[in-house]
Amino acid sequence: QQPVQSPQAVILREGEDAVINCSSSKALYSVHWYRQKHGEAPVFLMILLKGGEQKGHEKISASFNEKKQQSSLYLTASQLSYSGTYFCGTESQDNYGQNFVFGPGTRLSVLP
Amino acid sequence: EAGVTQFPSHSVIEKGQTVTLRCDPISGHDNLYWYRRVMGKEIKFLLHFVKESKQDESGMPNNRFLAERTGGTYSTLKVQPAELEDSGVYFCASSFSRDEQFFGPGTRLTVL
Repeated sequence: QQPVQSPQAVILREGEDAVINCSSSKALYSVHWYRQKHGEAPVFLMILLKGGEQKGHEKISASFNEKKQQSSLYLTASQLSYSGTYFCGTESQDNYGQNFVFGPGTRLSVLP
Repeated sequence: EAGVTQFPSHSVIEKGQTVTLRCDPISGHDNLYWYRRVMGKEIKFLLHFVKESKQDESGMPNNRFLAERTGGTYSTLKVQPAELEDSGVYFCASSFSRDEQFFGPGTRLTVL
C-alpha cells in the first residue's frame, strides 16, 4: 500500500522550519526521501534503514521510527531552493526488494 | 480514474536476451518518465517524454536501452541485450503539467 504523507502542502518563509511525515501500514525495511522541483526529475536525498536511523544532509535531516512505521523529514532554516515536492518511498519488510512504493508527495513552497 | 499501469509486473530473462517493458500513463498526461531502482540503491532517473518527444534522456545508462512513446500514449522501454546489472525495478510515472508525478507499481526485472 502507498504510504501516507502529511501535510499535503506547506508554505514557509525563508528561514523557517518544516517537518514532513511519512507513515505506512506495513512493517518497513527502508524509507527513501526524494525532492522534485517543478519540471525536473526527483532528486535523491537519503535512505534510512530499519534500526531507527537518523541522517542529515546539510540542513535537511530525517528520522525513521521502525516501530511506528514512520519517517519524518526535517527541513531547518529553509532556503528558497528547498521549494519542490518531497516524496517518501517505502520498502516493506515482508517482501524486501520487491515492494517499493512512493508516497503521494508533499508540496513545499518557500517564500522570500 | 485508472492510475499508471506497468506491464509485466515481473520479468525473468537470461543474460543476452531482450525484454520490453510497457507503461500506460494516466489518460491525458503528456509527461511520462522512466526510472530504475537497482537493488539496495536509490531510484535513478532514466528519461522524460513530453508527448512522443524525448525531453531528457540524460539518465539512460547506455545504448542497450531504447525507449519509445509512439503517438504520445503508452511507452515501451526495451533492453537489448540484457546484462546482469540491468536487474532492478523499473518505474514509470506520468504527469499532466510538469509537476506532480503519479508513479506506477513498477516492473521487476531479473536478469540471470
